[in-house]
Amino acid sequence: QQQVKQSPQSLIVQKGGISIINCAYENTAFDYFPWYQQFPGKGPALLIAIRPDVSEKKEGRFTISFNKSAKQFSLHIMDSQPGDSATYFCAATRSGTYKYIFGTGTRLKVLA
Amino acid sequence: DTAVSQTPKYLVTQMGNDKSIKCEQNLGHDTMYWYKQDSKKFLKIMFSYNNKELIINETVPNRFSPKSPDKAHLNLHINSLELGDSAVYFCASSQENRGTGNTIYFGEGSWLTVV
Repeated sequence: QQQVKQSPQSLIVQKGGISIINCAYENTAFDYFPWYQQFPGKGPALLIAIRPDVSEKKEGRFTISFNKSAKQFSLHIMDSQPGDSATYFCAATRSGTYKYIFGTGTRLKVLA
Repeated sequence: DTAVSQTPKYLVTQMGNDKSIKCEQNLGHDTMYWYKQDSKKFLKIMFSYNNKELIINETVPNRFSPKSPDKAHLNLHINSLELGDSAVYFCASSQENRGTGNTIYFGEGSWLTVV
């Protein structure tokens, strides 16, 4: 009930391509779904987040697609750049609980 | 003017020693956390404090003891260090916001190596 399953574990994309990372959750009480980006030697940083009342959110080259009925959400990185190479974590939380459930992470490498 | 700062960044110590990691946030947040990230990059919550009160205490050995002297500080003390404690420990903070959600802000991490 508390798991967030993330795939793939690693991803290699050519520069300019589209990177897609998927996550699935079980607990329908979750109401906030952020994505975090972590560069080597740094802490995770919020990239983009979505609430379940919308199906898509776009910020620049980054888009979250949310499918409430399937309990799935995904991160799309358009026109992927070498500077996007990092580990990406999806997460889910329920307001007021202060408890994030993180996915297992996806190591993205964008080839120049 | 780092938002969440933790010290030390690197710590190498022998088994059996006691060590502390300090954390401070200048964001005015009510809630602070300690997360552990292992070699496989899994992020796991250890503790959370809200207004200096412990609100989350996951299954963590009692050799780990958090202390929050005030809302802006959350320190982690580890007794009798073991090899398996080697990991990156992240301090974080957040403020519940009905509009934007409960965004967690992480520090840069403290790399602990037990030899």
